[in-house]
Amino acid sequence: KNQVEQSPQSLIILEGKNCTLQCNYTVSPFSNLRWYKQDTGRGPVSLTIMTFSENTKSNGRYTATLDADTKQSSLHITASQLSDSASYICVVSAAGGSYIPTFGRGTSLIVHP
Amino acid sequence: EPEVTQTPSHQVTQMGQEVILRCVPISNHLYFYWYRQILGQKVEFLVSFYNNEISEKSEIFDDQFSVERPDGSNFTLKIRSTKLEDSAMYFCASSQLGGVLAGAYEQYFGPGTRLTVT
Repeated sequence: KNQVEQSPQSLIILEGKNCTLQCNYTVSPFSNLRWYKQDTGRGPVSLTIMTFSENTKSNGRYTATLDADTKQSSLHITASQLSDSASYICVVSAAGGSYIPTFGRGTSLIVHP
Repeated sequence: EPEVTQTPSHQVTQMGQEVILRCVPISNHLYFYWYRQILGQKVEFLVSFYNNEISEKSEIFDDQFSVERPDGSNFTLKIRSTKLEDSAMYFCASSQLGGVLAGAYEQYFGPGTRLTVT
């Protein structure tokens, strides 16, 4: 069964600090991995999309990495801001036949001043 | 900047009633999706729609659910005979392309419709 596990479940950091969120998956065969930011009560917003051949993708202060061999991804946030407080969701889609995405439960990030 | 819009923002209905959730995808997008998120749980895929037909659906999307693109702009999710467990946030999303090219194209989510079944 395809699964996406994220850690930590929640994280509290001080403004200006960096942090790294983890995503492990068992989805196979792999097609793509996406990181989304979801503010409370809003729809997810895409941060990065990576396919099998990509191992790093940046979007401003967000940098995602992908290790397709170990089936792990990370999202690194640099110089955090108060507006980074949100849930960060890892989503993995399979290739071939079904493209139904598997969502992780998300990491809830709180940035304190 | 173009965005996906959804109406209503909040819908309250009684168990057993039918509801229709509406979405206006981004105008040049060809793939449309519905997702749901039960409070405190992860987002779940319901269905994808392309070229006026369902391209994929999950186990959740049973006969109680249907989707339609009644005109050139709207995309609707109908839930027949609602149950208490249908209470959730329902998100519509759209992308320029999908399917085998899904990896290359971003999905843009709407703000969601909160459905409360009493």
